[in-house]
Amino acid sequence: AQSVSQHNHHVILSEAASLELGCNYSYGGTVNLFWYVQYPGQHLQLLLKYFSGDPLVKGIKGFEAEFIKSKFSFNLRKPSVQWSDTAEYFCAVASGAGSYQLTFGKGTKLSVIP
Amino acid sequence: EAGVAQSPRYKIIEKRQSVAFWCNPISGHATLYWYQQILGQGPKLLIQFQNNGVVDDSQLPKDRFSAERLKGVDSTLKIQPAKLEDSAVYLCASSLIGSNGYTFGSGTRLTVV
Repeated sequence: AQSVSQHNHHVILSEAASLELGCNYSYGGTVNLFWYVQYPGQHLQLLLKYFSGDPLVKGIKGFEAEFIKSKFSFNLRKPSVQWSDTAEYFCAVASGAGSYQLTFGKGTKLSVIP
Repeated sequence: EAGVAQSPRYKIIEKRQSVAFWCNPISGHATLYWYQQILGQGPKLLIQFQNNGVVDDSQLPKDRFSAERLKGVDSTLKIQPAKLEDSAVYLCASSLIGSNGYTFGSGTRLTVV
């Protein structure tokens, strides 16, 4: 069965620090990859997604992610975090051609200190 | 466009009681999902509908959970009887057919005591 691993449970950063959140998945075939964000008290929102093409994907609010097929990874990055980025971040994978069911990682809680 | 509506927002019940959650997807979204998110974990798919038919319910604990989408629009998820381990947030999401572009609702937080 497909699985998604997020390496960090809780990350604490100061404002302006750079962010990288790790995500690895287990499926070896065609995958669609996603990062979702959940701000406190709000619903899950899509940050960015990768289906094909350029492995460096840019999303909203200055976030980007890089798909490295050989490493089964899809790490999320942001050069300079803000206090408003405090949230929980979930990596998700839809595996197999024509699959639209998402398998989520356990999430990484990001706390940004002003 | 209006988002995915879910109700109630919160529910507290005693174990062995029954509970039902309601979801109204975005207009025109034929595909509807129910996910369970236990504290400290990512969402886990329970059931997927396309219109009023079930596409996948392999991860739905059918001895106590049931779901329906009779007219291909609104959906109801029921738990009967509830167990302590059912305490979680129940998320509904919808999408167009053949799309990975989900929209999630705000969820129903269930506490079983």
